[in-house]
Amino acid sequence: RKEVEQDPGPFNVPEGATVAFNCTYSNSASQSFFWYRQDCRKEPKLLMSVYSSGNEDGRFTAQLNRASQYISLLIRDSKLSDSATYLCVMTTDSWGKFQFGAGTQVVVTP
Amino acid sequence: DVKVTQSSRYLVKRTGEKVFLECVQDMDHENMFWYRQDPGLGLRLIYFSYDVKMKEKGDIPEGYSVSREKKERFSLILESASTNQTSMYLCATCTGAMSYEQYFGPGTRLTVT
Repeated sequence: RKEVEQDPGPFNVPEGATVAFNCTYSNSASQSFFWYRQDCRKEPKLLMSVYSSGNEDGRFTAQLNRASQYISLLIRDSKLSDSATYLCVMTTDSWGKFQFGAGTQVVVTP
Repeated sequence: DVKVTQSSRYLVKRTGEKVFLECVQDMDHENMFWYRQDPGLGLRLIYFSYDVKMKEKGDIPEGYSVSREKKERFSLILESASTNQTSMYLCATCTGAMSYEQYFGPGTRLTVT
């Protein structure tokens, strides 16, 4: 079983709609969590960190559920420019060993 | 603005060749990483370095070695390339001992024939 699992999608979302997806992890020692965004044929870039109490950054909301061992990302009022692959990333207490999910593809359609 | 550059965007090598992939960063970051990215598998850590001449194995170090002689430069070496090393290779850096934001280079798509 992979340490970090994501639904690969694609999630086809009409412009203006809301989309949400999860990332599950198996290592209960995971401590820090992040969402990265990767555009087609581009490098990943940090979208946002995920805090225990949940956090928002504009139209993006990230949540952490330690009991069920998953993080989530919700995108409100989807824009065409939100089309990308979203990678979940986490670390354990062993710094440097970042674990990446394989990514969830989101396609926002007009 | 952090800039991370990689020596090649595309590379084609033959089985058994020695391959050097180079990564250079211009922000004086202490930490540098090499990943490979394959469809369905995501990014997997090959090696990372937290200081000059220091290196740590990642999850899939077999068949690879690294070199960090200068702070700004981190090289990935495939001693004898094999077809299963055909992949996208991404270099990343991050600042500080406990920082978590990684800055990635544009990637090198390596094909081994």
